[in-house]
Amino acid sequence: RKEVEQDPGPFNVPEGATVAFNCTYSNSASQSFFWYRQDCRKEPKLLMSVYSSGNEDGRFTAQLNRASQYISLLIRDSKLSDSATYLCVVNSGNTPLVFGKGTRLSVIA
Amino acid sequence: GAGVSQSPSNKVTEKGKDVELRCDPISGHTALYWYRQSLGQGLEFLIYFQGNSAPDKSGLPSDRFSAERTGGSVSTLTIQRTQQEDSAVYLCASSLGQGVTNEKLFFGSGTQLSVL
Repeated sequence: RKEVEQDPGPFNVPEGATVAFNCTYSNSASQSFFWYRQDCRKEPKLLMSVYSSGNEDGRFTAQLNRASQYISLLIRDSKLSDSATYLCVVNSGNTPLVFGKGTRLSVIA
Repeated sequence: GAGVSQSPSNKVTEKGKDVELRCDPISGHTALYWYRQSLGQGLEFLIYFQGNSAPDKSGLPSDRFSAERTGGSVSTLTIQRTQQEDSAVYLCASSLGQGVTNEKLFFGSGTQLSVL
């Protein structure tokens, strides 16, 4: 089982739609979790951290389920500018951050 | 500078030549990471530094790859006798320190390496 797994997509959604991505991780000792965003031919940038109680940042909501070892990202009211690849990232403390291969989102007008 | 700086931004080289890629992390960041990303693929971890030491070199693909960091700041990634399969974007990132709770990585814009 890979350390961090994501559905590669692509997810093609219309503007205004709500879309959700899941990510599973294999190391139960993982301590912190993040979502990064990567635009085409650009470097990854931190979108948001994922906290145990779940957290929201505007149209974006992140949740963590430790029992099932997955995290999710929900995007409400999708914008064209949300089109990107979303990378799930896990930190197990003693090893470097592990990146998933990403889920590609295309928001269509 | 305010962010992670990488140079060169683009490098075209001939098969068999050696190349050096440079990364200047954010000031005060003790952890530095090298990743590479082939076209349409995910990030592949290469090596990370905590200060000047490299506790984890497990991601280096072969002994043609090496990296060093001096003064706890600038790092260079060297690829000897480059091969066509080395063509990729090489990304450097830095963070406050490995093991810091809720550690966040900041990436440079990468070096696009093309081996002809």
